[in-house]
Amino acid sequence: GAVVSQHPSRVICKSGTSVKIECRSLDFQATTMFWYRQFPKQSLMLMATSNEGSKATYEQGVEKDKFLINHASLTLSTLTVTSAHPEDSSFYICSATGSNYEQYFGPGTRLTVT
Amino acid sequence: EDQVTQSPEALRLQEGESSSLNCSYTVSGLRGLFWYRQDPGKGPEFLFTLYSAGEEKEKERLKATLTKKESFLHITAPKPEDSATYLCAVQAPGSSYKLIFGSGTRLLVRP
Repeated sequence: GAVVSQHPSRVICKSGTSVKIECRSLDFQATTMFWYRQFPKQSLMLMATSNEGSKATYEQGVEKDKFLINHASLTLSTLTVTSAHPEDSSFYICSATGSNYEQYFGPGTRLTVT
Repeated sequence: EDQVTQSPEALRLQEGESSSLNCSYTVSGLRGLFWYRQDPGKGPEFLFTLYSAGEEKEKERLKATLTKKESFLHITAPKPEDSATYLCAVQAPGSSYKLIFGSGTRLLVRP
């Protein structure tokens, strides 16, 4: 149980385009989902927290207009990187919490912007 | 300010050589302390949640313990497949349930 999936696992896009990453909780309903960013050999950096049907809460320094988060249902959240630039290249990971508030992570999405 | 510090930053062990990883924390009321394992290029894999001082949990060669100031992840007779980065995180009170992560310990177990 407690499986979280992400799609795509890897994406390459051109500078100036937008990219959407999906995060799904497969066998439980996620009351809250989180989006993280991870740079090589560094720990996870929380970008935003989202609750189903509500606006996401962004961490300080994270641009809301650049990283659009939608949490349309209890099993799906999406992160859209708008007008991507090479500095947005990173490993993006989502997590989801169920009724016990334990966080389960997806496998991550490697974004490369050329 | 809530903070999590993990040590050592990196650890090299011979197969079968037991050791412990440390996670020190300061938080205004601990809701839970989490241990994760992360392999390169993958998302963190949930290992344990500890909620109160004195609590212990075990899974195969891993055992996690918790005091009021720190947690230890004991690895008994490790194998090469235990090589990974181990992350510790605390969950503070509040409605967001977000985690505060340490920087991790990179473990390498040599055969």
